[in-house]
Amino acid sequence: DVKVTQSSRYLVKRTGEKVFLECVQDMDHENMFWYRQDPGLGLRLIYFSYDVKMKEKGDIPEGYSVSREKKERFSLILESASTNQTSMYLCASSRGQNMNTEAFFGQGTRLTVV
Amino acid sequence: GESVGLHLPTLSVQEGDNSIINCAYSNSASDYFIWYKQESGKGPQFIIDIRSNMDKRQGQRVTVLLNKTVKHLSLQIAATQPGDSAVYFCAENIPLSEGQNFVFGPGTRLSVLP
Repeated sequence: DVKVTQSSRYLVKRTGEKVFLECVQDMDHENMFWYRQDPGLGLRLIYFSYDVKMKEKGDIPEGYSVSREKKERFSLILESASTNQTSMYLCASSRGQNMNTEAFFGQGTRLTVV
Repeated sequence: GESVGLHLPTLSVQEGDNSIINCAYSNSASDYFIWYKQESGKGPQFIIDIRSNMDKRQGQRVTVLLNKTVKHLSLQIAATQPGDSAVYFCAENIPLSEGQNFVFGPGTRLSVLP
């Protein structure tokens, strides 16, 4: 069974902390994505990666960075957490380049910044 | 910017009735479309997909219709069951030179009444 695993279901962090959200996929997928999900706004793309060490900004990259040192792992980093980054974060992966295959999602990490 | 949207943010149906969830997209270059189901506290799960060279695809109790002329996508659920209660998202795949870009709609909440 294919799987995308996010390291935490729930996180509470203080304003100004550096936060790491980890995502691992076991499907040998080339593409990995980080989205945030907020009520009424749907899923918004933060960053994506189409290969190891490659990254592309999505629609809302400000305040975030990413790391993809290994094919199976894609990390989202909040350099200095702020309260407006309280949200549900979803990691996803997909196969290949324009292969018309779906993205598989993790279970989500609900981050609260206080 | 170009976006994917939904006509109805909420939909209530009687158990056993058919459900129809609609979606409008605006990017004419999109070549692949997906419907996802998201239950409370979980990540989105793939339901069904359709390529742009098709206008209809059927799965088990679900059918997706694609009208490229008016850039419209719909999800039909036959004999709706309580377990179908969830938020449903449409997504379009926009081809890129590297990787993929999925754009999601804001979602429709489906409530199944007993």
